[in-house]
Amino acid sequence: DQQVKQNSPSLSVQEGRISILNCDYTNSMFDYFLWYKKYPAEGPTFLISISSIKDKNEDGRFTVFLNKSAKHLSLHIVPSQPGDSAVYFCAAKVNYGGSQGNLIFGKGTKLSVKP
Amino acid sequence: NAGVMQNPRHLVRRRGQEARLRCSPMKGHSHVYWYRQLPEEGLKFMVYLQKENIIDESGMPKERFSAEFPKEGPSILRIQQVVRGDSAAYFCASSPTRQAGAEAFFGQGTRLTVV
Repeated sequence: DQQVKQNSPSLSVQEGRISILNCDYTNSMFDYFLWYKKYPAEGPTFLISISSIKDKNEDGRFTVFLNKSAKHLSLHIVPSQPGDSAVYFCAAKVNYGGSQGNLIFGKGTKLSVKP
Repeated sequence: NAGVMQNPRHLVRRRGQEARLRCSPMKGHSHVYWYRQLPEEGLKFMVYLQKENIIDESGMPKERFSAEFPKEGPSILRIQQVVRGDSAAYFCASSPTRQAGAEAFFGQGTRLTVV
């Protein structure tokens, strides 16, 4: 049973436009959400995070929105740049018992930003 | 401040051999997590360790897999009697604490190929 879902395997966007990557989750115990960016043959790189007590967090061109009632979060990148082309993983923290800290990942969305 | 270091980057083993994957966390980080990524999949949590202790191994296969994080030296993920299905990218991450807000930083991964 997949607790974190990224239903779009890929997304193609024109340079300068907005990229919106979506993520849904099922476990209401999650209280912290993260986005990671991954290039081929490299490890994931932390991008931005949001606590469940907030509904928005912004860092430069990256903004994460959280809708707790819908169990949905999204990552907005604006303006999109060719260097943003990568696989983006949504992840959530399990926050109970001894498993605090480990991340539950979605399958990723491959973003292609075309010049 | 060096990042999370994993070695080897690539490892080829014949079926039935043992694979040892090493992870040195970032300086000052005492929490280590191992994840596995199968082709076309997201990262799946395997095990969470602190120095000399396994905190959560709920994601580890019951047989052939083991992990340790000794007082001195790197964390080791050991896979005995490897099979073709063990072929994957194995990522290690470290964080300073396990609290929400302490983002985990990932290494570049070890790509295990079982032939």
